[in-house]
Amino acid sequence: NAGVTQTPKFQVLKTGQSMTLQCAQDMNHEYMSWYRQDPGMGLRLIHYSVGAGITDQGEVPNGYNVSRSTTEDFPLRLLSAAPSQTSVYFCASSNWVLGRSVNTEAFFGQGTRLTVV
Amino acid sequence: GENVEQHPSTLSVQEGDSAVIKCTYSDSASNYFPWYKQELGKRPQLIIDIRSNVGEKKDQRIAVTLNKTAKHFSLHITETQPEDSAVYFCAARVDSNYQLIWGAGTKLIIKP
Repeated sequence: NAGVTQTPKFQVLKTGQSMTLQCAQDMNHEYMSWYRQDPGMGLRLIHYSVGAGITDQGEVPNGYNVSRSTTEDFPLRLLSAAPSQTSVYFCASSNWVLGRSVNTEAFFGQGTRLTVV
Repeated sequence: GENVEQHPSTLSVQEGDSAVIKCTYSDSASNYFPWYKQELGKRPQLIIDIRSNVGEKKDQRIAVTLNKTAKHFSLHITETQPEDSAVYFCAARVDSNYQLIWGAGTKLIIKP
């Protein structure tokens, strides 16, 4: 198993440009999420999905869109990049299932370091 | 909703000494408490977790303790080594909820 694969690893964007961060997992996990990590602020949830066709907003969703057309893929789209979106982005998945106390370890992708100039 | 506070934000200890990182949570319904380690430039990875029906869990040099009454849990690392230098995150969740609530992180520095 590759686990959670996230691309690209590094990206520089100009203000106003758009791009998509890719995330794929091969563990058949229903729950997937996107975080941004800024110094001293821990992990902040952007968007999440509890299954194919279902997405919802997290703590800091503005400026980002997501979709979940398959169980495996959960891309994050930056609509019009702003310098405030300079951050490290992590995709994560877990085997959370409603009503079941299963192993719910969150597996993270390698991260994308995004700089908006 | 749930809120998780983590202290200290930075911890510097001498190699070989012990390190303790503490987290408090607000939702008494939370019943799952993981700890993640993030080395510089790497992804966070689970190092230990505990459920609310257990008061303590150990794995070699690391242990986690949980006090449900006081709503706090702690990570203990004994005989610290240079490879323990990293940022450590605590989190809390209710099993019926998908969302982990994260602490802000503790940067652990091991001094030679």
